[in-house]
Amino acid sequence: EAGVAQSPRYKIIEKRQSVAFWCNPISGHATLYWYQQILGQGPKLLIQFQNNGVVDDSQLPKDRFSAERLKGVDSTLKIQPAKLEDSAVYLCASSLGQGSQPQHFGDGTRLSIL
Amino acid sequence: KNQVEQSPQSLIILEGKNCTLQCNYTVSPFSNLRWYKQDTGRGPVSLTIMTFSENTKSNGRYTATLDADTKQSSLHITASQLSDSASYICVVSGQAGTALIFGKGTTLSVSS
Repeated sequence: EAGVAQSPRYKIIEKRQSVAFWCNPISGHATLYWYQQILGQGPKLLIQFQNNGVVDDSQLPKDRFSAERLKGVDSTLKIQPAKLEDSAVYLCASSLGQGSQPQHFGDGTRLSIL
Repeated sequence: KNQVEQSPQSLIILEGKNCTLQCNYTVSPFSNLRWYKQDTGRGPVSLTIMTFSENTKSNGRYTATLDADTKQSSLHITASQLSDSASYICVVSGQAGTALIFGKGTTLSVSS
């Protein structure tokens, strides 16, 4: 089966600019996650969708980050405006459901803020 | 506070040797514990998932153990290969519907 697809793989922007990331989960996976992984740390959950509804966005900096999953399939994560501390890898993952279902990760988008 | 601590932070071993990575957690209530392998520049890949009632689970040369009483888990790698060089992340899930809690990972380097 095809894995989780993310684009772009790399992005370099200046602070205060905006950026968007795209994720296409594994077909049939109802649950989609966006994580932020800073160098040397484990991923941190930003937002979790169940179909097109938000399950958990408690750690999403809502003043600058937004995400949507229209039609319950693809998802986009946006940062506007970007700050230096947003430099990280943004990982998308999907799973059939919640609970003990394994999460399948994409290879991420590496964001560098100048 | 729910936390996952991993040790060592990094490890260097010779090809063909065995190694064991440790994970201690304070997450309660506990649902399941996962080990992921993350190659440089790639997303994490699931190795094992263990629920409360499981003590051990294997995936090829990877064997994970779980002691839910002491809240400890280990990942044992047998006959290491160069391709095992990666970061190994321990992840704990609390009650259903709550976010996974990730450790910072152990960076393993296998040299020839």
